[in-house]
Amino acid sequence: AQSVTQLDSQVPVFEEAPVELRCNYSSSVSVYLFWYVQYPNQGLQLLLKYLSGSTLVKGINGFEAEFNKSQTSFHLRKPSVHISDTAEYFCAVSEGGSYIPTFGRGTSLIVHP
Amino acid sequence: DSGVTQTPKHLITATGQRVTLRCSPRSGDLSVYWYQQSLDQGLQFLIQYYNGEERAKGNILERFSAQQFPDLHSELNLSSLELGDSALYFCASSVVRAGGSDTQYFGPGTRLTVL
Repeated sequence: AQSVTQLDSQVPVFEEAPVELRCNYSSSVSVYLFWYVQYPNQGLQLLLKYLSGSTLVKGINGFEAEFNKSQTSFHLRKPSVHISDTAEYFCAVSEGGSYIPTFGRGTSLIVHP
Repeated sequence: DSGVTQTPKHLITATGQRVTLRCSPRSGDLSVYWYQQSLDQGLQFLIQYYNGEERAKGNILERFSAQQFPDLHSELNLSSLELGDSALYFCASSVVRAGGSDTQYFGPGTRLTVL
């Protein structure tokens, strides 16, 4: 069965600094990987997804993620964060053929001025 | 705006009561998913419907049930409510492409408070 571990529950960072949110997954088959963002009092919104092909995936709002099969990781990065990036970020994995993703517990990104 | 609507936005009720949460998927999406989000459990998948039929079940209690109607909107029914059922309930929808590569589009959620 698939599982997702988000290694940090909270990541504080100063505005304009780079950030990396870590995600590791466990699965015995091929997977699809997703990052979602949840702003306060809102639903989840897709940032980016990896289905196949290039391991570097670019998403919205300047975010990107790299799929590393040997490390079973899908870390999310942004070179320079803004105050408006303060939100909860969820990594999710679904196994090929399954329509039900498993979500991590989330990482709270807190951007300080 | 994801195009998925959920009503009501907030619901406050008492233990032992029954409530119904409603979800309208994005235009063209055939599949609806229900999730429960709480501080202690995180985001938990409850159930999926596809074109009116139940397709997958997750950690859904027997006190909870759902259905998807011919117009594709869905309702989640929660009965014999307990304090621990207080949570955010999200609905998501997707097209359902082959292989499970779908993007799910989430509604704004219904916050349920059981007193």
